[in-house]
Amino acid sequence: AQTVTQSQPEMSVQEAETVTLSCTYDTSESDYYLFWYKQPPSRQMILVIRQEAYKQQNATENRFSVNFQKAAKSFSLKISDSQLGDAAMYFCAYRRTRGDSNYQLIWGAGTKLIIKP
Amino acid sequence: KAGVTQTPRYLIKTRGQQVTLSCSPISGHRSVSWYQQTPGQGLQFLFEYFSETQRNKGNFPGRFSGRQFSNSRSEMNVSTLELGDSALYLCASSLRGNRGRQGTEAFFGQGTRLTVV
Repeated sequence: AQTVTQSQPEMSVQEAETVTLSCTYDTSESDYYLFWYKQPPSRQMILVIRQEAYKQQNATENRFSVNFQKAAKSFSLKISDSQLGDAAMYFCAYRRTRGDSNYQLIWGAGTKLIIKP
Repeated sequence: KAGVTQTPRYLIKTRGQQVTLSCSPISGHRSVSWYQQTPGQGLQFLFEYFSETQRNKGNFPGRFSGRQFSNSRSEMNVSTLELGDSALYLCASSLRGNRGRQGTEAFFGQGTRLTVV
């Protein structure tokens, strides 16, 4: 079974600085998707960035980028120029590409990101 | 385009009662998944519906059930409520295609906060 681990329950960063959130996962499959979702106090889960395992290039979305290390099964999220609006819970999630369960997201425990003004 | 709509936003129920939660997916999305979020267990997959059929089910007791209508709207029902069922219930919709790579992103509603007293 696949598992996702986020070992940092909480992280804090000064506004405008850079922070990296860690995520590791375990799977025996070679093709899958990885996601970072953000959940602000409004509770709505918002997709931040996604990575397809067959792509070697790390995904980037504006100030958000990932460091995808497939062999190490590591998928960290880097947030540059942190803004107050980035404060939220961040969840790492895994999804298969094949089989009946391929629309099921498997989640990490989350990291609470605090932005200091 | 309207997002995923979940109703109601808040519910308070008594132990032993039953509850029905509703989710309207994004127009054109035919896959609806449900997740339970609690402080202790984190995010856990309940089930996924596609074309009015349950395609996948998580490890929850039979008290948790769901259905999907021809317009893709979905409902989940919890019977004989227990205190431990208190949680945020999130619904996600996806543009599920015939091939696993289509519709990779899940879009979430704001959730229904269920409190069982």
